[in-house]
Amino acid sequence: DAEITQSPRHKITETGRQVTLACHQTWNHNNMFWYRQDLGHGLRLIHYSYGVHDTNKGEVSDGYSVSRSNTEDLPLTLESAASSQTSVYFCASSEKSLANTGELFFGEGSRLTVL
Amino acid sequence: GENVEQHPSTLSVQEGDSAVIKCTYSDSASNYFPWYKQELGKRPQLIIDIRSNVGEKKDQRIAVTLNKTAKHFSLHITETQPEDSAVYFCAASIRVGGGSRMEYGNKLVFGAGTILRVKS
Repeated sequence: DAEITQSPRHKITETGRQVTLACHQTWNHNNMFWYRQDLGHGLRLIHYSYGVHDTNKGEVSDGYSVSRSNTEDLPLTLESAASSQTSVYFCASSEKSLANTGELFFGEGSRLTVL
Repeated sequence: GENVEQHPSTLSVQEGDSAVIKCTYSDSASNYFPWYKQELGKRPQLIIDIRSNVGEKKDQRIAVTLNKTAKHFSLHITETQPEDSAVYFCAASIRVGGGSRMEYGNKLVFGAGTILRVKS
């Protein structure tokens, strides 16, 4: 079955280290998104991509970067991890137009702790 | 700016009662309004959605209403059951340019979530 997977599911790192969270989907969706989930803030958009070599900043993009070299993957990199980036990260994908498909498919989430 | 406000932040109801969660949005161009349910430790999943050309949509015990003039929409759950206990998120679509590809797409802005507890 087609799916969207994230790895690692849990990660503990130290302040200042570089961290990459992987996201892989097998639906051949053009649109991919990274959100972070924090209590009281809901799901906030970090970066998103509408296709290969396309990346865009979301509401909370500072300290994060993404790259889209193929349709299936959108890795999220924290260049220099900070304690404020301790969170649960969700990757999601959708077909070309949300207005037509009506659904965002989420991965299982990656819990990141920065000490 | 793009903003979705959601109320209440927590809601406790007795099993069998109804629950209502309300959201307001700021972008008058928003045209798609989904609701996601997230059970403890799980990923958010779509439960119902509504588009701007429809005022109300129902699916068994859940329904969503939309008032575009007032820019608010609501989730209604009737005959609540313990398995309805979860966090519920509303969202509104924001139409954006497709970055370097200059193709239009949509992104979703989410509310802060409502923790619903159904007491049996």
